[in-house]
Amino acid sequence: DVKVTQSSRYLVKRTGEKVFLECVQDMDHENMFWYRQDPGLGLRLIYFSYDVKMKEKGDIPEGYSVSREKKERFSLILESASTNQTSMYLCASRTGGESNQPQHFGDGTRLSIL
Amino acid sequence: AQKITQTQPGMFVQEKEAVTLDCTYDTSDPSYGLFWYKQPSSGEMIFLIYQGSYDQQNATEGRYSLNFQKARKSANLVISASQLGDSAMYFCAMRGRNSGNTPLVFGKGTRLSVIA
Repeated sequence: DVKVTQSSRYLVKRTGEKVFLECVQDMDHENMFWYRQDPGLGLRLIYFSYDVKMKEKGDIPEGYSVSREKKERFSLILESASTNQTSMYLCASRTGGESNQPQHFGDGTRLSIL
Repeated sequence: AQKITQTQPGMFVQEKEAVTLDCTYDTSDPSYGLFWYKQPSSGEMIFLIYQGSYDQQNATEGRYSLNFQKARKSANLVISASQLGDSAMYFCAMRGRNSGNTPLVFGKGTRLSVIA
């Protein structure tokens, strides 16, 4: 079974802090994704990566950056946390090439910015 | 750009009855894939079923089936014989160009409540 592990289930930080959300997958997947989920808005794509050191902006990249130094790890960084970044953050990974394969998700991180 | 529309914010169904969750999509890509996920209150996203745009038959996985109507651009999820454990958020998603590197685009979800 594919395992996507997010470093924290719950996280509380203060405004202005630099926040790191870590995600690790164990299936040698090429593609990794970060979404945020808010009530009534569904899942919105922040950033994704299709290879080591490669990154692409999603629909809502403002206020975020990412890092992918190793294939198995994809980090989301909040450069200066703000209260409107309080949300559920979901990491996903997926193999490349095979079109019918789903994205596999971690359990999510509920982030509160005070 | 792809867009997914789920018009039912919430649905109720009696245990053991069937329920249909609606999903319509918009894309200009000739080849695409459609996915359904379940999210229980614990938060994890569970993949349920996949339908490719060129698949001749509607997808089925156990109690889940997909009513795929390509001309209408709809991909409704049918859950047969509902169980209490089916209470969850359900998300429809699509991948355009049906390429492995393309991220999924999600709808806003439908919250299903199964009543005993």
